[in-house]
Amino acid sequence: NAGVTQTPKFRILKIGQSMTLQCTQDMNHNYMYWYRQDPGMGLKLIYYSVGAGITDKGEVPNGYNVSRSTTEDFPLRLELAAPSQTSVYFCASSQGLRTDEQYFGPGTRLTVT
Amino acid sequence: GESVGLHLPTLSVQEGDNSIINCAYSNSASDYFIWYKQESGKGPQFIIDIRSNMDKRQGQRVTVLLNKTVKHLSLQIAATQPGDSAVYFCAEVYGKLTFGQGTILTVHP
Repeated sequence: NAGVTQTPKFRILKIGQSMTLQCTQDMNHNYMYWYRQDPGMGLKLIYYSVGAGITDKGEVPNGYNVSRSTTEDFPLRLELAAPSQTSVYFCASSQGLRTDEQYFGPGTRLTVT
Repeated sequence: GESVGLHLPTLSVQEGDNSIINCAYSNSASDYFIWYKQESGKGPQFIIDIRSNMDKRQGQRVTVLLNKTVKHLSLQIAATQPGDSAVYFCAEVYGKLTFGQGTILTVHP
């Protein structure tokens, strides 16, 4: 299994541009999550999904959108990029809500200038 | 509580020493706690967890201690190795997962 994969690894955006961060897992996990990690900080939950077709807001959802059309994929959309969205973005998945079962992807480093 | 910014606490140890990493959590109602290890350029990796009805849990070379009276969590790493060098985060769970500040552990050969 590849586990959780994310693309791209790095991206530079100009203010106002949009982009989609891709996340795919091949473990048939029901739960998927998007986090952002700012320098020197822990992770903050942006959005999560408990299954295909179901998504919900986390701690910091503003400026982002998600969709979950399949079990495997959970893309994160930035519509109007702002410098405050410069961060490292991690996708994770788990079979259940027990958080010890979360598997993290390698991250996407995004810079908005 | 949230991090104060870019200056994470640091801990430097010699290879073979025992390491103790501390964490203060914020919600007395949190019922589950986790320690994660994050190596440079990678996502967090689960190390060990503990439920609020326990005060100690041991894993392979790691022990987590929970003191609910003072809302304090610690991670003890026995016989620390250079491969243990990373940032260590505690996280508390009350409905959702909330990460703590993080501590940089550097192990010198």
